Amino acid sequence: QVQLAESGGGVVQPGRSLRLSCAASGFTFKTYAMHWVRQAPGKGLEWVAIISYDGSNEFYADSVKGRFTISRDNSKNTLYLQMNSLRAEDTAMFYCAKDWDSSGTFYFDSWGRGTLVTVSS
Amino acid sequence: NFMLTQPHSVSESPGKTVTISCTGSSGNIASNYVQWYQQRPGSAPTTVIYDDNQRPSGVPYRFSGSVDSSSNSASLTISGLKTEDEGDYYCQSYDGSTHVVFGGGTRLTVL
Repeated sequence: QVQLAESGGGVVQPGRSLRLSCAASGFTFKTYAMHWVRQAPGKGLEWVAIISYDGSNEFYADSVKGRFTISRDNSKNTLYLQMNSLRAEDTAMFYCAKDWDSSGTFYFDSWGRGTLVTVSS
Repeated sequence: NFMLTQPHSVSESPGKTVTISCTGSSGNIASNYVQWYQQRPGSAPTTVIYDDNQRPSGVPYRFSGSVDSSSNSASLTISGLKTEDEGDYYCQSYDGSTHVVFGGGTRLTVL
């Protein structure tokens, strides 16, 4: 079955950078679009970014545009999120999520367990 | 921007039926699919309804979804409630400008 395992979270100071990873297994990773979705403590879900199956297209939420970059390595079945210029309001659990198809339907099929990012001085 | 509004919380007794609504702020909610996610306490979300009313494999028949254009709303209905159904439920749809729109979530209590 689909398995998504996020890693790379931790405590980071405002203004610093962090890179999250999501290791995928149980499906043909290179044929599906992938997403990052986050959830601030005690709050609802917020979509962050999507990347198409081949990495040729990316879209971002306005709240992270210009600071975050989504990427993927299909040879390693791994999704990434490079987060720069982090702010306190970026504190959240970050989930990796699989799309229903290759280019992106913007709907989520399966989710990972998440990795927690805390931005604090 | 298009928004989805859900009740903050609902509660019902075991064995009963509960319906969670998801109302669109404008336009026609039926123009894009609505999806529903369940998030049990301390866990990641899982998909319980996709394409308005389809159940992923493994999701019990007790879960059903519908869309009503006249009220511009979608609904998730859970019948034969069990304590394991407790958690937060989020509706989600697509919007051309912001791409992904989530409802604010509904806390379901089964008591």
